[in-house]
Parts: sequence; C-alpha cells; structure tokens
Amino acid sequence: QLQLQESGPGLVKPSETLSLTCTVSGGSISSSSYYWGWIRQPPGKGLEWIGSIYYSGSTYYNPSLKSRVTISVDTSKNQFSLKLSSVTAADTAVYYCASFRDSTFDYWGQGTLVTVSS
Amino acid sequence: NFMLTQPHSVSESPGKTVTISCTRSSGSIASNYVQWYQQRPGSAPTTVIYEDNQRPSGVPDRFSGSIDSSSNSASLTISGLKTEDEADYYCQSYDSSNGVVFGGGTKLTVL
Repeated sequence: QLQLQESGPGLVKPSETLSLTCTVSGGSISSSSYYWGWIRQPPGKGLEWIGSIYYSGSTYYNPSLKSRVTISVDTSKNQFSLKLSSVTAADTAVYYCASFRDSTFDYWGQGTLVTVSS
Repeated sequence: NFMLTQPHSVSESPGKTVTISCTRSSGSIASNYVQWYQQRPGSAPTTVIYEDNQRPSGVPDRFSGSIDSSSNSASLTISGLKTEDEADYYCQSYDSSNGVVFGGGTKLTVL
C-alpha cells in the first residue's frame, strides 16, 4: 500500500515561492500505473487540483494556476515536488499530495498547512 | 472548462437515505468517470465511489453512485445513515482538456 508524506516550510512570505516535496513509500514513483498530484484546500473551503506529473516528467496543470506552478519528479529519491511562485494570502491552504490512477486519487498524504504571511 | 456543482449542505436523520447531486456545467457527465470522496474534519479525503458507481474495498454497500445523462449529473446515495457518515463529500471528474475538476463539496449532517 502506498504511503505519501508532504514536507516543506509551513510559513512563506508574500511574493516568495512555496516549495513542497512529497515522498512516496510502499511503491515506486516510476510505476506506469500512476500519476502523482498536488491538491490544496484553503481553510474552510473546498478542494482544488493544482497539477499532476507522470514519472517520465509529463506535467498537467490547473489552467488557473499554470503560470505560477512547477511540478517535478525525482525518481532516484521516489519524490515529486511542487513550486508555486509569487504567493499571496490566497495561497494559504492545506496542501496534499496524492497518487492518481484510473481517474481517481486513491492514496493521499496527511496534508501540510502552508501559511502565507509576512 | 467545465464545473461540477454540488449543494452546499444536506441533512437527514439516522437510518434514512440521502442523495447528493453533482451537476456538470458543460460536456456530457457520461464522457468521463465521476468519483466521490469523503472528508472528515482534520483528515485527508478518502474515496467512497470511483468510476461512477464502483466501491473500493472496505466501503460499505450503503454507499452507491450513479449518473443521469438527462440531468447531466452524478449522484451519491447513502442509505441507512449513520452518525459516522457525517462529513464533507466531494465529486471529482477528469478530462484531457481541463485536467482534474472537483465539485465545491457538500456538508452532510446526520441529526
């Protein structure tokens, strides 16, 4: 069974870049069965897909965030990462990483709260 | 781009049946699978229905999913409601043009 764990700073200053890493265990990030995704949830609000990546490096981004998002994969470390640039308070959210297979996010990390504040 | 619209909240009594709708704004609901997630406070979402009407192992058969092309919507039905079913529920779909889309979520209260 896959396990995913987010890591990264919990506090980011406005206009800076938010950086998070997701470490995958219990399976290979190079599996052809899976994509790997980032989802966020502002406090008290709903889920928002940020983007996804395949082990080959192919990426798919939410059009509303595409200009600020970069998702990358490091197969040697079994990790994938998120960078979100020029953050504002509106980017304050719990950020989840998850595996995506057959149109479904089937395994999720526990989530990490990132607050944007000076 | 398409949107998935859910009611903000629903409530029902224990033992009863509740249905949560998810309406697709454009394009056919049948053209891409719909998934449903349950999220309890402070926890990550978990899948209760995938591929329109399939239940993951461990999800009780009280949970069922369907789609209705005439209303262009998907539905999650929970029968024999239990207090433990109280949670937020999200529908989700995917297509190659828009990527992954989530509905806005529905808060289910069991009282």
